[in-house]
This record gives sequence, C-alpha cells and structure tokens, in this order.
Amino acid sequence: DAGVTQSPTHLIKTRGQQVTLRCSPKSGHDTVSWYQQALGQGPQFIFQYYEEEERQRGNFPDRFSGHQFPNYSSELNVNALLLGDSALYLCASSSTSPGGGWETQYFGPGTRLLVL
Amino acid sequence: AQSVTQLDSQVPVFEEAPVELRCNYSSSVSVYLFWYVQYPNQGLQLLLKYLSGSTLVESINGFEAEFNKSQTSFHLRKPSVHISDTAEYFCAVSRKAAGNKLTFGGGTRVLVKP
Repeated sequence: DAGVTQSPTHLIKTRGQQVTLRCSPKSGHDTVSWYQQALGQGPQFIFQYYEEEERQRGNFPDRFSGHQFPNYSSELNVNALLLGDSALYLCASSSTSPGGGWETQYFGPGTRLLVL
Repeated sequence: AQSVTQLDSQVPVFEEAPVELRCNYSSSVSVYLFWYVQYPNQGLQLLLKYLSGSTLVESINGFEAEFNKSQTSFHLRKPSVHISDTAEYFCAVSRKAAGNKLTFGGGTRVLVKP
C-alpha cells in the first residue's frame, strides 16, 4: 500500500513565477491538507480539501490556491512567487471518521521549493 | 486560536541517557495532542497521540508523553535514547472539531551522541 506521495521532490523557481505541487493521498483517504514548513520552523497549515472543496484555510494569502480531484489527489498552486515562499511543502491525507472523531494524518515526504 | 510552544530548540544527549522534550500549548477549547518526528530529509511521522482516556500515552519505540491539563503541557520522554532517535520532534494540537487541522510548535532537534 503506497503512502502519501508528492511530486516533484525538489523545485527551483524565480520570483514572480507560478508553481504547482502535486499530492496523491494514501489509499482509502479522502481528505488532503497542505502545510508549509520554512527552514528551522514547524509546519504551518495552508488549507484542507474534502469532497473537492476547500474546507478550512490557514493564514495564507490568495496567491496560494488548491484543487482536489475526484480521485482525491490534490494540487497546490502558488502564484507570483516571493523569496519567502521557499520552504518544504508537505501534504497530509486522512480519512473522514463516520463519527466525526479524529483520524490520523499521514504525511508525504514533501516538495522542497527554492525561490531565487 | 491555538498555539504550541516547544521550549527547547535543540537537545544534545548521550546515547542511553534519558531525554525530555517540553511542550506547552494554549487553547480556549479542548484539544487533541500529538508528537510527530521528522528524520533528515523525510516527512513527518506520527509518534504518539492523546485523544482521551489515560493521560499517559506510549509509542512502540519507547517514547511516552503525559497530558497535563492544569499545566497545559504534553512533554515527551524516553528513558534511554539510541543514535537512531536523532531527529526533529514536533508537538502539535488540533481542536476536537477542527477537521484535523494541526497547529505545530517550532520543533526540538535531538542530537544523540555516542
């Protein structure tokens, strides 16, 4: 059973460009969350997708957008890249608990983005 | 809103010695608590979690953490560390009705020395 996969593993962009990162959730999972981890810091929640809709959003500007596809995979798009967007971008997947309880999030290995 | 403070950014420790990583949180509502571990160049792995019940939770590799509601803490301990425990450890919280959104602390880097 493949876990959470992300592509690409590394990416170099220049300021002002746009980037798309991809995530395939663990088999059986329907919820995908994205986190940004700047160097030396803990991950910060960007947003979460469920049933192809953005369900929650963290404190990130509109330059950060996402999408979830019918097969539950997800994309994170960042427009007008800034130097400060350089970070490790982590995708996490989970399943929806029928009783509304907490379900373990499984993280992918991340995509390391460098903006020059 | 929730916040998590990990009081030590780095903890050097000798092999077979005990280690404690401190975590305090702030929240106006009930939360779930977690410890994640990140090995070099890897993603995050769940180490242990507190959802309810016994305030002492254990992992399969010898770590344990104790939820202390009055002190709003969730410190992580291991009585005897191995070289392979060298990693970064993150404490995190999630509101019980927040759809799994995790709020992380800044991390504690554990370096186990032989």
